[in-house]
Amino acid sequence: DVKVTQSSRYLVKRTGEKVFLECVQDMDHENMFWYRQDPGLGLRLIYFSYDVKMKEKGDIPEGYSVSREKKERFSLILESASTNQTSMYLCASSLLGTASNTEAFFGQGTRLTVV
Amino acid sequence: AQRVTQPEKLLSVFKGAPVELKCNYSYSGSPELFWYVQYSRQRLQLLLRHISRESIKGFTADLNKGETSFHLKKPFAQEEDSAMYYCALGGSNYKLTFGKGTLLTVNP
Repeated sequence: DVKVTQSSRYLVKRTGEKVFLECVQDMDHENMFWYRQDPGLGLRLIYFSYDVKMKEKGDIPEGYSVSREKKERFSLILESASTNQTSMYLCASSLLGTASNTEAFFGQGTRLTVV
Repeated sequence: AQRVTQPEKLLSVFKGAPVELKCNYSYSGSPELFWYVQYSRQRLQLLLRHISRESIKGFTADLNKGETSFHLKKPFAQEEDSAMYYCALGGSNYKLTFGKGTLLTVNP
């Protein structure tokens, strides 16, 4: 069974803290993505990676960074958490290929609250 | 730029009625279009993709490159179709972009 696992379902952090969100996939996928999901705004891409140590900015990278040291793990880092980063964060992974096989598989999400 | 537009935030229909969820895209290359669905308290999951030209759970979607659209249709809505639907666009740069989503409610 395909699995994308995010380390926490719920997280509460204080303003200014450094926050790490972890995502692990067991499907040997090349692509990994981080999105935030907000009501009325849909899914917005923060960062993505198509290979180990490779990263590309998405549409809203400000205030975030990522790390991909191993193929199966993609970490999202909030350098100094702010209240406007309170959101649901979704990790996804997919094969590097054509449209016929590039289905993205999603994690269960991490609901982050910054107080 | 790679962009997906879903003009309707909310869509409410009665059971048995036809439903159409609209999606328009903007992309200079050859697009890969998908529909994803999120049922209550479940993970986001793929519903269908344009390349397969398949019908899943009675839903179909046709890619219209002239109108840059990929609307999702079902002739007879069921209550279990109530969910959030997202249109997504994949590009040759491996980026996967989603629209803002349409919340479909099928009333009994």
